[in-house]
Amino acid sequence: DIQMTQSPSTLSASVGDRVTITCRASQSIASWLAWYQQKPGKAPRLLIYKASSLQSGVPLRFSGSGSGTEFTLTISSLQPDDFATYYCQQYTGYSTFGQGTKVEIK
Amino acid sequence: QVQLQESGPGLVKPSETLSLTCTVSGDSISSYYWSWIRQSPGRGLEWIGYVYYSGTTNYNPSLKSRVTMSVDTSKNQFSLILTSVTAVDTAVYYCAAGAPGGSCSVCDNWFDPWGQGTLVTVSS
Repeated sequence: DIQMTQSPSTLSASVGDRVTITCRASQSIASWLAWYQQKPGKAPRLLIYKASSLQSGVPLRFSGSGSGTEFTLTISSLQPDDFATYYCQQYTGYSTFGQGTKVEIK
Repeated sequence: QVQLQESGPGLVKPSETLSLTCTVSGDSISSYYWSWIRQSPGRGLEWIGYVYYSGTTNYNPSLKSRVTMSVDTSKNQFSLILTSVTAVDTAVYYCAAGAPGGSCSVCDNWFDPWGQGTLVTVSS
């Protein structure tokens, strides 16, 4: 199966910061990658699909890039509502997820 | 818009069978390939498998021998059965919408929306 590795595991940032999270696949997944945001006690929320397509209703400060084995999720200006855990997911046959990146208040 | 709601026992004894149902509202059960995903502190997010209203299924190879999924079109519901559970199967179980309905060569997809999740604890 394809392993997804996110870095960092935890990220401390302030409101207004530009934040970047990386996700690496153990083999090429083309652009078959999604990003999710999860808050405590809630289900994951889809942010990005096909590596760079913004899901309807998601703020424009979120963006995704990459292809092959390396991908990034960027939050251009961190807002109070963005403190959460973020996951990547590859979907090339059967899905696997990264271990998560927790964005916490600095 | 599609809404999903999981239901089922919150406590299952070791070696017994876990059974969950997801009720779909706001759309037809034929509109998507429906997945089950679970989350635990030790294993993170783990895709269990998907089912389509036609009966097509695809399961995670690591769970395939213990998993069965099915659809009840009359109730707009789909279900998960996981046999011979152990403490490792303790998790929050989510149902989610995946690939749009129809033919597909690879029916894996992003997931949206998700149900709120239900905690299942395996303990005697």
